[in-house]
Amino acid sequence: EAGVAQSPRYKIIEKRQSVAFWCNPISGHATLYWYQQILGQGPKLLIQFQNNGVVDDSQLPKDRFSAERLKGVDSTLKIQPAKLEDSAVYLCASSFLSGTRAGELFFGEGSRLTVL
Amino acid sequence: TQLLEQSPQFLSIQEGENLTVYCNSSSVFSSLQWYRQEPGEGPVLLVTVVTGGEVKKLKRLTFQFGDARKDSSLHITAAQPGDTGLYLCAVKPFKTALIFGKGTTLSVSS
Repeated sequence: EAGVAQSPRYKIIEKRQSVAFWCNPISGHATLYWYQQILGQGPKLLIQFQNNGVVDDSQLPKDRFSAERLKGVDSTLKIQPAKLEDSAVYLCASSFLSGTRAGELFFGEGSRLTVL
Repeated sequence: TQLLEQSPQFLSIQEGENLTVYCNSSSVFSSLQWYRQEPGEGPVLLVTVVTGGEVKKLKRLTFQFGDARKDSSLHITAAQPGDTGLYLCAVKPFKTALIFGKGTTLSVSS
């Protein structure tokens, strides 16, 4: 089965510019997550979707970050304007909503952002 | 404060050595997961432990969940270069998504 697809893999921008990341989850996975992973740290949740609704966005810096999952399938994460501290890998993950594997997250390869 | 404390933060060993990494918390959890993340990749689930005192084996990897379900350990026997990566423990508190520790970076040289 196809895994979680993310693009672009790498992006370099200057501070105050904008950037968008795209994620296509595994087919049939109702839950989609965006995590931020700063070098040397574990992933930190930014936002969780269930189908096209937001379940948890409490740690999303809403003054600069936005995310959408309009049709309950693929998702876009946007940063505008970017700050130096946004340099990180942005990981998309998906999971089943229910069943024995509902707790297992499947991650994409991530999008590495460098803000100069 | 970090919900999950992982130690050591870094570990560099020779091929064939044994090692143990730890994941500790002051909270009780219904289950705990271990993921491995290789450079340039996303984390991949290794195991889920759900019962206090549970021991699970995955080839040369042995996972243990503490009796009180507050801590866990991962033991690797006869480490190989292919074991190199970031080992992350993760828990899912009630009504939140998976929360990760900072991880242990393991480097195994031949």
